[in-house]
Amino acid sequence: QVQLVQSGAEVKRPGASVRVSCKASGYTFRTYNIIWVRQAPGQGLEWVGWISVYSGKTNYAQKVQGRVLMTTDTSTTTAYLEVRSLRSDDTAVYYCARADWGDNWGQGTLVTVSS
Amino acid sequence: EILMTQSPATLSVSPGERATLSCRASQSIGSNLAWFQQKPGQAPRLLMFIASTRAAGAPARFSGSGSGTEFTLTISSLQSEDFAIYYCQQYDNWPFTFGPGTRVDIK
Repeated sequence: QVQLVQSGAEVKRPGASVRVSCKASGYTFRTYNIIWVRQAPGQGLEWVGWISVYSGKTNYAQKVQGRVLMTTDTSTTTAYLEVRSLRSDDTAVYYCARADWGDNWGQGTLVTVSS
Repeated sequence: EILMTQSPATLSVSPGERATLSCRASQSIGSNLAWFQQKPGQAPRLLMFIASTRAAGAPARFSGSGSGTEFTLTISSLQSEDFAIYYCQQYDNWPFTFGPGTRVDIK
């Protein structure tokens, strides 16, 4: 069965960077895009960006443009999200999901940014 | 950026009743719309994609309709496990955007 398993919770200082991983299994990794979505405490869902696993092409939300990097490693079927220059409003649960329409989701990774 | 709106913000429904949730896009997105259900402490779960195609494992009481800018998610007979927040998302144009959600709670 399709599974996306994310790395564990992180606590970071403002200005630091964080990398979240998303290990995919149960399907052919290259054949589906990956989207990243975040959810601040008590808030709705916010689309962060998209990566084509096949080509490596990316598209990021304007709010995080310039601070975010999405990559994939096809040898380990893992997707990565790096957020740099962290701010307090980056505190959120970060989710990876398969396909543009999000048909399977990771369990989420809580990233807390606090001094 | 395409703005997604949802109505109502909260819907109070009795078990067994029908629920109708609306989602509107600020410009045409064809049928490139998904619906998600989210319960507290859980990841979102896909219910519908391409506006009206039920996702694997989604119960038959869920149905989706619409195209262009107006979309609807209908739950034919609310079960206790359906009380949750529902989000729509367009994936027609970057950036993909979510609606603010509709909370379905027990009347």
